[in-house]
Amino acid sequence: LAKTTQPISMDSYEGQEVNITCSHNNIATNDYITWYQQFPSQGPRFIIQGYKTKVTNEVASLFIPADRKSSTLSLPRVSLSDTAVYYCLVGDFNNDMRFGAGTRLTVKP
Amino acid sequence: EAQVTQNPRYLITVTGKKLTVTCSQNMNHEYMSWYRQDPGLGLRQIYYSMNVEVTDKGDVPEGYKVSRKEKRNFPLILESPSPNQTSLYFCASSPGNRWGTEAFFGQGTRLTVV
Repeated sequence: LAKTTQPISMDSYEGQEVNITCSHNNIATNDYITWYQQFPSQGPRFIIQGYKTKVTNEVASLFIPADRKSSTLSLPRVSLSDTAVYYCLVGDFNNDMRFGAGTRLTVKP
Repeated sequence: EAQVTQNPRYLITVTGKKLTVTCSQNMNHEYMSWYRQDPGLGLRQIYYSMNVEVTDKGDVPEGYKVSRKEKRNFPLILESPSPNQTSLYFCASSPGNRWGTEAFFGQGTRLTVV
């Protein structure tokens, strides 16, 4: 299972775009890249998932370069309510999900 | 409504007293798993199950048991709880064995062992 590396924490201000990068050098051909968001004392919530290039939904974009050894979660115009921990997961067909420590994003007014 | 339900939400117990935390999902998902979360350590997987009667250890299985007799239920059993099992526990389910699947998490169970 590919291991991921993310920054421990990041700070931002309201209205800014936030980019969180995840490194996964050993990603396998069958692996998807998935990001989850977690608020204190709540279960993680799915944000976005991709395999290659770019994926966009109503809350975020996910950029994956051609070599797929890293990925970047982009949150446009963050607000205070986006303060949370963000996890990057790399999973194979069997969907064995292992979370790392995640990135603690703090959005300031 | 699609959901994963854990019970109880909060539990205080004494060392050595057997307990079970239940987890149920209504989405007919094949894959279910249990995690514990401790400050600074993120989510660590305890056990997972690929389908009925199929379970496997995660990263921190010591002191825990699970069973998967029915597709919808995946209880976590602590035969003899100890204070180091004080933690926040989450159950999750997903379709599994499919490309691009999303996991759904329960509300969490905060367990204190004294």
